[in-house]
Amino acid sequence: DIQMTQSPSSLSASVGDSVTITCRTSQSISSYLNWYQQSPGKAPKLLIFEASTLQSGVPSRFTGSGSGTDFTLTINSLQPEDFATYYCQQSYTTPPAFGQGTKVEIK
Amino acid sequence: ELQLVQSGAEVKKPGESLKISCKGSGDRFSSYWIAWVRQMPGKGLEWMGVIYAGDSETKYSPAFEGQVTISADKSISTAYLQWSSLKASDTAMYYCARPRPGFHYYYGLDVWGQGTTVTVSS
Repeated sequence: DIQMTQSPSSLSASVGDSVTITCRTSQSISSYLNWYQQSPGKAPKLLIFEASTLQSGVPSRFTGSGSGTDFTLTINSLQPEDFATYYCQQSYTTPPAFGQGTKVEIK
Repeated sequence: ELQLVQSGAEVKKPGESLKISCKGSGDRFSSYWIAWVRQMPGKGLEWMGVIYAGDSETKYSPAFEGQVTISADKSISTAYLQWSSLKASDTAMYYCARPRPGFHYYYGLDVWGQGTTVTVSS
């Protein structure tokens, strides 16, 4: 199975800041990487698929990049609704494992 | 547009059986894969397995193979997740979700149910 490692596990930021979350995989997955946002008490929401393609309706302040084994999710100009937990997931092979999550908290 | 509505919260005792459901809206349910994802209290997301609603072909994560059964009834646009003998460690939130249509069953999950909380306690 492909192992997923996200960092950091949590971070504190202020409204208006930019933050970057990293996801590393144990083997190359080309660009088959998804990012999800989970707000407290809610189901996850797909933000980005294929490393950099924004899901319909997702604000452009969310940017994904990377290929191979190293990927990043950047959130520019954090908004109050962006304080949530973010997960990466590989879609290269089954089982499609998730990272352990990064909690973005208000400073 | 597909919407997934899950059955309500369950409280069970160890050893009991359980079947939770995920009902899809719309008339294309039988052309979709439906996945199940576990989230234990305070923990991350775990992909459990998936079923093709059209012919009930199933794929399981090795971690969940033999621990749960995924099934579907396309005539009522519903997928199921069931346990024959629950353990306390099955306490979790369970989500159903649709892999992006037209791609492999392990692709990104673009439509999610609201989740079903399962609590197993004596």
